[in-house]
Amino acid sequence: SQKIEQNSEALNIQEGKTATLTCNYTNYSPAYLQWYRQDPGRGPVFLLLIRENEKEKRKERLKVTFDTTLKQSLFHITASQPADSATYLCASESGGSYIPTFGRGTSLIVHP
Amino acid sequence: DTAVSQTPKYLVTQMGNDKSIKCEQNLGHDTMYWYKQDSKKFLKIMFSYNNKELIINETVPNRFSPKSPDKAHLNLHINSLELGDSAVYFCASSSGGTTTEAFFGQGTRLTVV
Repeated sequence: SQKIEQNSEALNIQEGKTATLTCNYTNYSPAYLQWYRQDPGRGPVFLLLIRENEKEKRKERLKVTFDTTLKQSLFHITASQPADSATYLCASESGGSYIPTFGRGTSLIVHP
Repeated sequence: DTAVSQTPKYLVTQMGNDKSIKCEQNLGHDTMYWYKQDSKKFLKIMFSYNNKELIINETVPNRFSPKSPDKAHLNLHINSLELGDSAVYFCASSSGGTTTEAFFGQGTRLTVV
């Protein structure tokens, strides 16, 4: 079955470092991947989308890569700040239905 | 202006009761969704509505029923509530088609006691 997976363990890093989060997919080839941020008690907020024919996408301190050989997307936050602490969710379409299907998310904690 | 709003934010109710959660979007989107987020934070699709037509239902019990009076609203009705229904329910919308992002409401925390 199609799966989209993220590391369930929390990622702890020091302020100023680059945070790297991983999203892996199996048994399908998504046309795109999306990344969302979710803060406690709030709904997910869209951050970036990368298509299968794009290697990299940037937005301010955020960078997303898409490696169709490794079946993986990496999400980077450079010069991380405590305010970046949140859960980050990876999503893609499911079976061609274009309905966002989410991974379990990875909690990022940036320490001052 | 809130793009996707859902009410109530908190809902505590007893087993066996029937309840509704309302959702409205002012983005002019054609597609609306309901997601359930369990205690382990896994966000799972429940329903998707496109132009008032249900296009997918992910094996959700028939105690759950979405109702869309118009394109801007997708309400969630739940009958005979069970303890296992306790979760956070999110409404979302998108313009539909390929690659478009979803806009989420703030969530409704449902607690069944």
